[in-house]
Amino acid sequence: KQEVTQIPAALSVPEGENLVLNCSFTDSAIYNLQWFRQDPGKGLTSLLLIQSSQREQTSGRLNASLDKSSGRSTLYIAASQPGDSATYLCAGAFTGGGNKLTFGTGTQLKVEL
Amino acid sequence: KAGVTQTPRYLIKTRGQQVTLSCSPISGHRSVSWYQQTPGQGLQFLFEYFSETQRNKGNFPGRFSGRQFSNSRSEMNVSTLELGDSALYLCASGLRLAGMTGELFFGEGSRLTVL
Repeated sequence: KQEVTQIPAALSVPEGENLVLNCSFTDSAIYNLQWFRQDPGKGLTSLLLIQSSQREQTSGRLNASLDKSSGRSTLYIAASQPGDSATYLCAGAFTGGGNKLTFGTGTQLKVEL
Repeated sequence: KAGVTQTPRYLIKTRGQQVTLSCSPISGHRSVSWYQQTPGQGLQFLFEYFSETQRNKGNFPGRFSGRQFSNSRSEMNVSTLELGDSALYLCASGLRLAGMTGELFFGEGSRLTVL
């Protein structure tokens, strides 16, 4: 059974801090992993997509890594800002699953002034 | 470039009724998938449609169904609504190259409340 887990469930940091969000998955047959952001009552905003052949992807202050052998992905946010406050979700697409994503439970991030 | 459009955004129904939700994907995207989000279960995959054919299905009862039209727009239907069907229903669109997924883009969702 494909499972995706995110730790911690919630995180509160002061503005300006660099932080790491963790995502782990049980099936090594991962095709790609996508990180999303969700604001309260809203849909999902795609942040980064990492293909299984890649080790990391960067977009602005965000950097995501993928390690298939250990079943882990991390999302690094540099110089956090209050506007980064949201729930961050990781989701894996696994070989043979087409566009079916298996989601983690999310990390609720609060960046305080 | 327009994003994924879901209608209606909010709706209230009573137990036993049925509901139809609509999703228009990004232009050029032929894959549409549906997810249910609840506080207790998180985001769960319902089904995926590509070229008007259901390609994948999650573990939901037969009351949940969907279809896709030739213009790639998709609808999902829930019949005989139960209180537990109250959720945010999210639609995602994407390409489907060689049968596998690329980046998926989500709409704002349809918030269903069942009374």
